[in-house]
Amino acid sequence: SQQGEEDPQALSIQEGENATMNCSYKTSINNLQWYRQNSGRGLVHLILIRSNEREKHSGRLRVTLDTSKKSSSLLITASRAADTASYFCATASGSARQLTFGSGTQLTVLP
Amino acid sequence: GAVVSQHPSWVICKSGTSVKIECRSLDFQATTMFWYRQFPKQSLMLMATSNEGSKATYEQGVEKDKFLINHASLTLSTLTVTSAHPEDSSFYICSARRQAMNTEAFFGQGTRLTVV
Repeated sequence: SQQGEEDPQALSIQEGENATMNCSYKTSINNLQWYRQNSGRGLVHLILIRSNEREKHSGRLRVTLDTSKKSSSLLITASRAADTASYFCATASGSARQLTFGSGTQLTVLP
Repeated sequence: GAVVSQHPSWVICKSGTSVKIECRSLDFQATTMFWYRQFPKQSLMLMATSNEGSKATYEQGVEKDKFLINHASLTLSTLTVTSAHPEDSSFYICSARRQAMNTEAFFGQGTRLTVV
């Protein structure tokens, strides 16, 4: 079952603006991951942050993790129309190898 | 290139027939693979965990006799939707992860199943 919630559910911005998506989860985790899904396609891994990390960067992506609040955020800077997609957070907990996905944010970047 | 390959990418079948979806791990041996179902504009819901050489583990509410999973080799898992009905129409996605902790998951391209 879904563990977490993401907000906003949908986000529409202009090209060049920054996009911030938030994810909350319920149980303790080993790591939290962010994935991107273009419509009708599989998921592509973006970034993984471990439970002992607080911030991580990858290109135009910045992820934060606050384990005390059980929340994470994904920031995409200088957005492009090609960033239009659904973004999901996913958590890995304990010895379980499956990921539990958040509800997702649909990002639309207008040219 | 793709690390996990899923086939077919789409299929249309008649009610009552069965459909098989294949998921192949191309880059590493996957003792465990995962099958998800996704409805439009919703998140991924884990259906079952496919274990090489043993029975699959199904999530609560998923009918194991309807969604048959076979993981006969370290690189191939199959999901067969038996006696498909229109309500089984959905997007099915498989994934695999390496054994080590703190690793990403690799996803297949997904299969759009339409039952008419």
